[in-house]
Formats: sequence, C-alpha cells, structure tokens
Amino acid sequence: AQSVAQPEDQVNVAEGNPLTVKCTYSVSGNPYLFWYVQYPNRGLQFLLKYITGDNLVKGSYGFEAEFNKSQTSFHLKKPSALVSDSALYFCAVRDDHQAGTALIFGKGTTLSVSS
Amino acid sequence: EAQVTQNPRYLITVTGKKLTVTCSQNMNHEYMSWYRQDPGLGLRQIYYSMNVEVTDKGDVPEGYKVSRKEKRNFPLILESPSPNQTSLYFCASSLQGSSYEQYFGPGTRLTVT
Repeated sequence: AQSVAQPEDQVNVAEGNPLTVKCTYSVSGNPYLFWYVQYPNRGLQFLLKYITGDNLVKGSYGFEAEFNKSQTSFHLKKPSALVSDSALYFCAVRDDHQAGTALIFGKGTTLSVSS
Repeated sequence: EAQVTQNPRYLITVTGKKLTVTCSQNMNHEYMSWYRQDPGLGLRQIYYSMNVEVTDKGDVPEGYKVSRKEKRNFPLILESPSPNQTSLYFCASSLQGSSYEQYFGPGTRLTVT
C-alpha cells in the first residue's frame, strides 16, 4: 500500500532564512510525487511534481524539491523564505504501478515565516 | 478563466436531510475527484471519476454518492448526512488521472447537526 508522511506538524523559520518541509513516502512501484500549498480559506494550489528525470525539481514561487530514492524522501525547499510563504503544505504520492488509484496526501505541515 | 467551482461554499444542515454539493470545471478535464479535509488527517479521497460514467471509490466513500453524467460536472451526494460528515470538502480536476496536476475548487464547509 502507498503512504506518505510529513513528520513535522509545524515548521518555523525567520524571513530570509532557508526553509525545508520534509516528506517521506512508501510505494511498491515508482512514485509520482507532488507538493501542494493551501493558503487560509482557499483550495489547494499545485507547487511542483516529480514523475521521472532530474532529481531536483523546480516549481512555483521559488520552491524546489529533491527526490531521494534511497531515502524515499521528497523534501520541499526554498533558499530564502518570505512571510507570504506562510501556509499549509501538503505532500502527495501515487504509485505508478496502480493505475486509477487515489493520490495519497500527507497530513500537512504548517509553515510559519516570521519577519 | 480556468477554474473549478463548488456550490454551496457553506452549508449547515440537520442529520438525515439529503444534500448535494455541486462541482463544475471548465477545463475539459477527464479526471475529477472529491476530498474531505479534517484537522490532523490531511486530505482523504472520497470518490473519483476517470471520465463520463466512470466512477470509483477512494479511501473514505461510506455515506457518499457521486455521478458523472457530463464531463464538466461531478456532484457529491449525501443521502442521509450524519454529524461525522461535518468537514471541509474539496472538488478537484486534472487532465487525465491523478498523475497530473490537480486543480482544486475553493471548498465547501459542511456542518451537520
């Protein structure tokens, strides 16, 4: 069965510092990995995805994520955090061997960037 | 503007009173899905549809029904709502399946008393 874990409920960083939001996954085949962001009172917005290819994926708003197959991780990163990055972040995974199955979401990590 | 719309945005109802939450997308997407979001549990998929007249259960389908008679619409039906269905509901669509970027609606906050 596929699963995804976000080990931190909350991440606090100061504006201008680098940020990392962690995600680990478990699938039987090859993973399709996603990051979504949710701002207050809004639906989720797509940030980036990894399907195949380069392990470093660049996405919207200056975010990037690194796929690490040996550690089964897909951590979200940004070199310099902004206060406006404060939001709820979700990692999601799908197993490429299971066509038509659900995209499994993590429980979410609240990112708080202080000025 | 490409978008997913949901109605209503807020709904308070009583146990047992049938309700429907509508979802519509204008992007000609084949794949549509319903999720519920609960604190500490993240998003869990209720039902999804790969195309017209093709629907399947997600992780938490009990107490819900869906239909996909037209490509653009994917209503969520609660035949007999119960308090444990109080939640924030999101509809989403993507081009073809969950491997593609999903576009989410603004959410429907449902309270069942």
